[in-house]
Amino acid sequence: EAQVTQNPRYLITVTGKKLTVTCSQNMNHEYMSWYRQDPGLGLRQIYYSMNVEVTDKGDVPEGYKVSRKEKRNFPLILESPSPNQTSLYFCASSPPGLAGGRYNEQFFGPGTRLTVL
Amino acid sequence: AQKVTQAQTEISVVEKEDVTLDCVYETRDTTYYLFWYKQPPSGELVFLIRRNSFDEQNEISGRYSWNFQKSTSSFNFTITASQVVDSAVYFCALRGGGYQKVTFGTGTKLQVIP
Repeated sequence: EAQVTQNPRYLITVTGKKLTVTCSQNMNHEYMSWYRQDPGLGLRQIYYSMNVEVTDKGDVPEGYKVSRKEKRNFPLILESPSPNQTSLYFCASSPPGLAGGRYNEQFFGPGTRLTVL
Repeated sequence: AQKVTQAQTEISVVEKEDVTLDCVYETRDTTYYLFWYKQPPSGELVFLIRRNSFDEQNEISGRYSWNFQKSTSSFNFTITASQVVDSAVYFCALRGGGYQKVTFGTGTKLQVIP
């Protein structure tokens, strides 16, 4: 089954304790992205990756790191989490953009609810 | 910089009424892509439609229809004869021509009352 998986789905941690949220897709997509969703703010892009070893900042990259060593994986790293990073996080992937078909559609993971105390 | 505005924060309608969700966007790209996603109470994000900037044809899919107007930078979404299952948060999104940055609106929460 074509899907984007995220782990963990729920995480409660404390300020300053490094954590990694994993994201994996099995659709051979080149583009992957991380978003956070906060009430009243919609989804905001944190980082995106056009391909292996190619990453770039989205609108809210502060406090986050990413890496793209393999095409299928795109982990989100919080080196020193703070309470303002409490949020719902979504990973997404999509094939390269072309004019036809459903290209450019992003496939989203189920979300990771993170609480930083 | 690109921007997506969904001015309607919450809308309530009675079942079987028609409802239109507004989306206004800003971009400097000449080629771009617009999307609508649905987020039901269960939390997942469900793709509804993609529209290319070079294709201004409106689209209808069952009870759903989309009106893309480049002249007013709008991409509105209409649900005809709404149903309780349509209750969700709906997001409009914009992806630039380089397929890189994606900007979402803040979402419109639709409540359909039986």
